[in-house]
Amino acid sequence: AQSVTQLGSHVSVSEGALVLLRCNYSSSVPPYLFWYVQYPNQGLQLLLKYTTGATLVKGINGFEAEFKKSETSFHLTKPSAHMSDAAEYFCAVSFITGGGNKLTFGTGTQLKVEL
Amino acid sequence: KAGVTQTPRYLIKTRGQQVTLSCSPISGHRSVSWYQQTPGQGLQFLFEYFSETQRNKGNFPGRFSGRQFSNSRSEMNVSTLELGDSALYLCASSMGQGPGREQFFGPGTRLTVL
Repeated sequence: AQSVTQLGSHVSVSEGALVLLRCNYSSSVPPYLFWYVQYPNQGLQLLLKYTTGATLVKGINGFEAEFKKSETSFHLTKPSAHMSDAAEYFCAVSFITGGGNKLTFGTGTQLKVEL
Repeated sequence: KAGVTQTPRYLIKTRGQQVTLSCSPISGHRSVSWYQQTPGQGLQFLFEYFSETQRNKGNFPGRFSGRQFSNSRSEMNVSTLELGDSALYLCASSMGQGPGREQFFGPGTRLTVL
């Protein structure tokens, strides 16, 4: 069965510092991979996704992620954190076949950005 | 284009009651999925509807049900509410069905069961 693991339920960075949020997946075949962000009292917003093609994916708000099949990872990065990046981030996967639109989410990482 | 709307935004019920939540997808989107978000269990898939048919179902008891109308609007119903049903219920819409498609989430309905 497919699963997603996000290392670190809470990550704290200084404003201007590198953001690195970790995501590893477990699947017999490479799944489709997503990163979503959730601000307080709001729904989820898609940051970026990997389906096929280039393994380095650029998303909104300066975020990017790299799909590494050998490491079964899809870590999210941003070169310079901004106060507005403080939110909860979720990594998710979907089945390539048979799962429809179903997303399986990781447990989330709360990002705190300090001055 | 208007986003996904969910009504009501907040709801308070007591144990044993039933509740119906509504989701209006983005215009032109035919797929609607529902998720439950709780601090303990995180985000869990409930079910997915496409063209008025349930296409996929998560591991939830039969008290949780849903339907989709011909205009793609969807409702989910929870009967005989339990304290553990307190959660944020999120609806997501997508233009079609199939993995890899971008799903657009609504703001959610916060259900509190007393």
